[in-house]
Amino acid sequence: AQSVTQPDIHITVSEGASLELRCNYSYGATPYLFWYVQSPGQGLQLLLKYFSGDTLVQGIKGFEAEFKRSQSSFNLRKPSVHWSDAAEYFCAVGVVTGTASKLTFGTGTRLQVTL
Amino acid sequence: KAGVTQTPRYLIKTRGQQVTLSCSPISGHRSVSWYQQTPGQGLQFLFEYFSETQRNKGNFPGRFSGRQFSNSRSEMNVSTLELGDSALYLCASSPPVLGGAQYFGPGTRLLVL
Repeated sequence: AQSVTQPDIHITVSEGASLELRCNYSYGATPYLFWYVQSPGQGLQLLLKYFSGDTLVQGIKGFEAEFKRSQSSFNLRKPSVHWSDAAEYFCAVGVVTGTASKLTFGTGTRLQVTL
Repeated sequence: KAGVTQTPRYLIKTRGQQVTLSCSPISGHRSVSWYQQTPGQGLQFLFEYFSETQRNKGNFPGRFSGRQFSNSRSEMNVSTLELGDSALYLCASSPPVLGGAQYFGPGTRLLVL
């Protein structure tokens, strides 16, 4: 069965510092991978997605992620964090079976930004 | 383009009651999925609908059901509510591309007393 692991429950970084959030997945086929962000009391906003092709994908708000098949990883990065980036971040793998699909999420990483 | 909308945003019910939540997808999206989010279990897939047919179902009891209408709007229903059903219920829509990204609404926060 597919699964997603986000090993860091909580991360604190200073504003202006770089950020890397880790994500490892387990899936038997070529994965569809996503990163979402959730602010308190809100829904999930799509940051970026990987389907195929270039393993470095660019997203919104200055985020990028790199797909590494050999490590089953899809880590999210940002070169300079802003205070408004404080939120919870979810990595997800899109599971396709026949004509149906669903997302399996990691447990999330809460990002705190200090000024 | 308008995003996914969900109504109501907040709901308080008592044990044993039933509840119906509504979701309107992004225009042109025909797939609607539902997820439950709780602090203990995280984000869990409930079901997916496409062209009024349930294509996929998560591991939830039969008290959880849903449907989709011809205009792609979807509803989910929870009968005989339990305290553990208190959660944020998220609806997502996706374009007609297999494995495509899902776009989420703001959610309905359900509190069962």
